[in-house]
Amino acid sequence: AQSVTQPDIHITVSEGASLELRCNYSYGATPYLFWYVQSPGQGLQLLLKYFSGDTLVQGIKGFEAEFKRSQSSFNLRKPSVHWSDAAEYFCAVGARDFGNEKLTFGTGTRLTIIP
Amino acid sequence: EPEVTQTPSHQVTQMGQEVILRCVPISNHLYFYWYRQILGQKVEFLVSFYNNEISEKSEIFDDQFSVERPDGSNFTLKIRSTKLEDSAMYFCASSLTGTGRYEQYFGPGTRLTVT
Repeated sequence: AQSVTQPDIHITVSEGASLELRCNYSYGATPYLFWYVQSPGQGLQLLLKYFSGDTLVQGIKGFEAEFKRSQSSFNLRKPSVHWSDAAEYFCAVGARDFGNEKLTFGTGTRLTIIP
Repeated sequence: EPEVTQTPSHQVTQMGQEVILRCVPISNHLYFYWYRQILGQKVEFLVSFYNNEISEKSEIFDDQFSVERPDGSNFTLKIRSTKLEDSAMYFCASSLTGTGRYEQYFGPGTRLTVT
């Protein structure tokens, strides 16, 4: 069974500073990997996804993530955060098997931006 | 851009009552899902649905829960006899196919409060 660990519950970053949110996964093969963002009271919006190929993927809002098979990681990065990036960020893993279509989410990282 | 819609946005019910949460997935999608998020916790998979039957379900999805696609557009989650611990945000999602190869699009959620 797949699982996701997001070791940082809460991160505070100054506006304009760089950001890295950590995500480690457990899955028997190469998984599908996703980052979703959830603003307060809102649903989940997909930031980016990794299926195969280039291990550095670009997403919306200036985010990127790098898949590192050797570390079972898929960390999310942004070179310069904006106050509007304050939200909850969820890493998720999807299986490649028919009959196992669910996404398994991590516990999330809450991002606070300070001026 | 097509989106998943959910109604109602907020439902308050008394313990023991039946509730039906409604979702309209994206029209050409074939896989449908329900997830829930208890306040402050991670998003958890409940059930996936394909070709008019349950494809996969979690341990949470017990006999009190059922899903249905009553017509060509709606996808519903019924909780027969609600408990206090059913209070959560319920998200509907849909995807073009299963296997995680195509991203799941999430609706804005229905907040269920059981009193």
